[in-house]
Amino acid sequence: GQSLEQPSEVTAVEGAIVQINCTYQTSGFYGLSWYQQHDGGAPTFLSYNALDGLEETGRFSSFLSRSDSYGYLLLQELQMKDSASYFCAVRGGATNKLIFGTGTLLAVQP
Amino acid sequence: GAGVSQSPSNKVTEKGKDVELRCDPISGHTALYWYRQSLGQGLEFLIYFQGNSAPDKSGLPSDRFSAERTGGSVSTLTIQRTQQEDSAVYLCASSLPGAHEQFFGPGTRLTVL
Repeated sequence: GQSLEQPSEVTAVEGAIVQINCTYQTSGFYGLSWYQQHDGGAPTFLSYNALDGLEETGRFSSFLSRSDSYGYLLLQELQMKDSASYFCAVRGGATNKLIFGTGTLLAVQP
Repeated sequence: GAGVSQSPSNKVTEKGKDVELRCDPISGHTALYWYRQSLGQGLEFLIYFQGNSAPDKSGLPSDRFSAERTGGSVSTLTIQRTQQEDSAVYLCASSLPGAHEQFFGPGTRLTVL
């Protein structure tokens, strides 16, 4: 089967740093993406890793270790607006279809 | 348009009825995807279109589900003889060919009574 594991909930305070982990077990692997979804909203793309290492985009960074089937999303200088669900997703094949994790609900507290 | 649009935004139907959900992708995006999101869950892949053809239908849960795309643009997801377990948010996404970023629409919330 195919599965992606993420913590269900994470709580942090404004200004802090939080890391959301994702471990995956899939039949194919072409890359790991992260999406943000505010309550009732459309998922929006945050980052993509095809190769091992760290990708940085502003306050957000994403890491991938293909040998460990593991990745994480790092959010720095947390803001209240970062409260949302975060999904990791594996690009599972040449069609670019995404296999999503169950999501991590991040609550940022003042 | 500026982004992916979907209609209707909400649909309430009775068990056994057929429903049609529409997706208008971003202009020029030849790849189109349908996903389903149940309450508090991740997104579940349903079907992928490249142009008007669907090379990957592996996520369609049963033969009650079908989809088509015309003119390389608008797509319609049809659910026949709806069941209560079909209740979910149906999300459409589009992307440029080969691109890893998918742009999602706001979804259609389907409730089957």
